[in-house]
Amino acid sequence: GIQVEQSPPDLILQEGANSTLRCNFSDSVNNLQWFHQNPWGQLINLFYIPSGTKQNGRLSATTVATERYSLLYISSSQTTDSGVYFCAVEGPGRRALTFGSGTRLQVQP
Amino acid sequence: GAVVSQHPSRVICKSGTSVKIECRSLDFQATTMFWYRQFPKQSLMLMATSNEGSKATYEQGVEKDKFLINHASLTLSTLTVTSAHPEDSSFYICSARDYSSYNEQFFGPGTRLTVL
Repeated sequence: GIQVEQSPPDLILQEGANSTLRCNFSDSVNNLQWFHQNPWGQLINLFYIPSGTKQNGRLSATTVATERYSLLYISSSQTTDSGVYFCAVEGPGRRALTFGSGTRLQVQP
Repeated sequence: GAVVSQHPSRVICKSGTSVKIECRSLDFQATTMFWYRQFPKQSLMLMATSNEGSKATYEQGVEKDKFLINHASLTLSTLTVTSAHPEDSSFYICSARDYSSYNEQFFGPGTRLTVL
């Protein structure tokens, strides 16, 4: 099946800093989504982005499908941005999402 | 975005009992729902795909007789953990696909199961 790799696995930032999270995938995808998992376990939808670029406030994402990677940018980070960020893809012939291992972000005041 | 609910949010049970978890799509119809399991500090792993009106499709290594899935309506899927054991303790999360929203998937808040 499709492989999804996220980097870095852990990231510690000071409040106000910017960061880039990366997601590499091993095959073509029909769907790619970024999620933020909060401390209570809820997955919050950030972006549905199988290709192209999107922005939502301090967050933006870019997926280059031909090169099989996606980037999530967080600008002016806040302590509330802390948590785990997951990239998940829908590979060929699949309807379910395959998740990467996540990036655990800690934003310090 | 679309809303998916799960009930209960937390359950503690004795070894050998069965536990039912409900997953509902509140504002859209979902012909397909998915059940995932997440162990502490790990990623989400797909357990099964729940299809409305037909049998669920289980991932390799998931015991279909232990994790019973029923998808009787377009807004409700249930997961029953039968004869639960401590190793079944985990965080169970369902998702549903909103076909009106470019096939984006939305997740429920999860159910934390602890088997004593």
